[in-house]
Amino acid sequence: ETGVTQSPTHLIKTRGQQVTLRCSSQSGHNTVSWYQQALGQGPQFIFQYYREEENGRGNFPPRFSGLQFPNYSSELNVNALELDDSALYLCASSFRGGDGYTFGSGTRLTVV
Amino acid sequence: QKEVEQNSGPLSVPEGAIASLNCTYSDRGSQSFFWYRQYSGKSPELIMSIYSNGDKEDGRFTAQLNKASQYVSLLIRDSQPSDSATYLCAVGRMNTGFQKLVFGTGTRLLVSP
Repeated sequence: ETGVTQSPTHLIKTRGQQVTLRCSSQSGHNTVSWYQQALGQGPQFIFQYYREEENGRGNFPPRFSGLQFPNYSSELNVNALELDDSALYLCASSFRGGDGYTFGSGTRLTVV
Repeated sequence: QKEVEQNSGPLSVPEGAIASLNCTYSDRGSQSFFWYRQYSGKSPELIMSIYSNGDKEDGRFTAQLNKASQYVSLLIRDSQPSDSATYLCAVGRMNTGFQKLVFGTGTRLLVSP
């Protein structure tokens, strides 16, 4: 059974640019959630995808968007990057959004 | 009031002692409760889940839930230096067909040899 994989592991972008982060969910999991974890804080829920549709969203602006593909992998896109977007971005997969969330190793995004 | 509150610590315990980590939450509709361990620079790792009042034991870990008091705790027996990490409490709430996890800011645990 493979775990959740995320790419890239680290990324440096300039303010105003756009970024795409990728996640491959754990085998058998059809739900993907994305979280943002700023330094010294707990993860904050961005949104969740189930069967290729967004079915829940946290308090993040529309410039945060995502996709889920038929193989349940997912992308997080962030437009017009701001300095405060610097954080660890975590992808978590589960079966139907239930318990047993498995987090990927994360992508560390730095916006300069 | 934060939705999920934890003491940021650090909580320092000697090797072999019991570490007690606490968490309170504000939403009485919360249905599932999780403890994650996060080493510095790494992603959170699920160590315990609990859904009903009482205790749940798994090896050296015991999770305790009291829904009336809106309180969750994690006990780590025979603490080891390798247990030194940040422990995140997460509370799950169903919202129009999906579960969202709300995390606390975490408690940093230091176990000294």
